Amino acid sequence: DAGITQSPRYKITETGRQVTLMCHQTWSHSYMFWYRQDLGHGLRLIYYSAAADITDKGEVSDGYVVSRSKTENFPLTLESATRSQTSVYFCASRPGLAGETQYFGPGTRLLVL
Amino acid sequence: AQSVTQLGSHVSVSEGALVLLRCNYSSSVPPYLFWYVQYPNQGLQLLLKYTTGATLVKGINGFEAEFKKSETSFHLTKPSAHMSDAAEYFCAVSDRGWGKFQFGAGTQVVVTP
Repeated sequence: DAGITQSPRYKITETGRQVTLMCHQTWSHSYMFWYRQDLGHGLRLIYYSAAADITDKGEVSDGYVVSRSKTENFPLTLESATRSQTSVYFCASRPGLAGETQYFGPGTRLLVL
Repeated sequence: AQSVTQLGSHVSVSEGALVLLRCNYSSSVPPYLFWYVQYPNQGLQLLLKYTTGATLVKGINGFEAEFKKSETSFHLTKPSAHMSDAAEYFCAVSDRGWGKFQFGAGTQVVVTP
């Protein structure tokens, strides 16, 4: 089915482990985004990408790494997971220019023990 | 820098009553404005957006919002609440360059019979 998917949907890990969250979109949208959602904070931008091989940091990027070798994929890696990274992570994509709608994936719930 | 304030983290309305969710923003230039809805365990879905033109915008599910530049507001309304409107609502602003979103903290809407 067309759209934006995330995997896994649920993940439990331990502090210090590396974790990769996957995001895949079938629309060939240029822009892709990673957010984390925490109670009382809404969604906060972690990283974004304007095209393959073009990425930049958002407001809460410490401890995260991204890559975008293909337009359709935008994986997010927690290099050494910490308990403060327990959150719900959303991937989003947008066709092009600012003002266009961002489309969100279903989210990944991550628990770091 | 942009910021978004949503007044009230929780709103309770009776079925059939007016729904009013408040959103104020601060930005050096008028941004693009969005309202998203999130149902439990799902991603965010666009309700409506303002980019240019008519300041009263209509969205899905009977919602509408009015951009008031002088008040830096973008309040969301629905004349008659339905049980299916129970969800969390997020206001977001986007800059006119990269189009990065800044989200409000969200308002949880409860609809009572």
